Amino acid sequence: QSALTQPRSVSGSPGQSVTISCTGTSSDVGGYNFVSWYQQHPGKAPRLMIFDVNKRPSGVPDRFSGSKSGNTASLTISGLQADDEADYYCCSYAGSSTYVFGTGTEVTVL
Amino acid sequence: EVHLLESGGGLVQPGGSLRLSCAASGFTFGNYAMRWVRQAPGKGLEWVSGINDRGGNTYYADSVKGRFTISRDNSKNTVYLQMNTLRAEDTAVYYCVKRGSDGGVYMDVWGKGTTVTVSS
Repeated sequence: QSALTQPRSVSGSPGQSVTISCTGTSSDVGGYNFVSWYQQHPGKAPRLMIFDVNKRPSGVPDRFSGSKSGNTASLTISGLQADDEADYYCCSYAGSSTYVFGTGTEVTVL
Repeated sequence: EVHLLESGGGLVQPGGSLRLSCAASGFTFGNYAMRWVRQAPGKGLEWVSGINDRGGNTYYADSVKGRFTISRDNSKNTVYLQMNTLRAEDTAVYYCVKRGSDGGVYMDVWGKGTTVTVSS
């Protein structure tokens, strides 16, 4: 149950796009199409942004998109906005009803 | 509106016990698996435990296996986390989380969390 690997931080100017990677193994990210992404503002509970690799819950802007290739999943935020500044965590199903989160990425809007 | 409200957190000495509760509302509680996720101060999220809709199957992270017990009372729309033999590294905000609305393998509703501090 080792944490998935994410970059510590990414940044971009308003209107730009940023992509966050999430690298695991064939036992988690690579083995299932069950990767989800969560946004967390300081002092707040996480919020679901993407599920099942690339699906958006209602209410999440289509500026947020997800993808996966092999053992690495990615979250792309297009048209970056000030309110997108937050921590982002990926999460993967790891079999036997267990889950593993990523190390987290801080997104900074310059 | 779907809502999860955790309670039971507090300060406890190493080796002590604590029971967290999570009261659910706004959805048919007995139809959904539930989970606990924690976040140590300044750290990332960690999945802790899960329980299926009827309570017959439970799951734990290696870090808490044998010390924590998850349970639920569908008549009270409540899920619990009994934490025994607590350690300093169990200090965290504990979130109660609902499984995805379509039965999906994701976490679509989170409570605001309850803080557990293990210290002498």
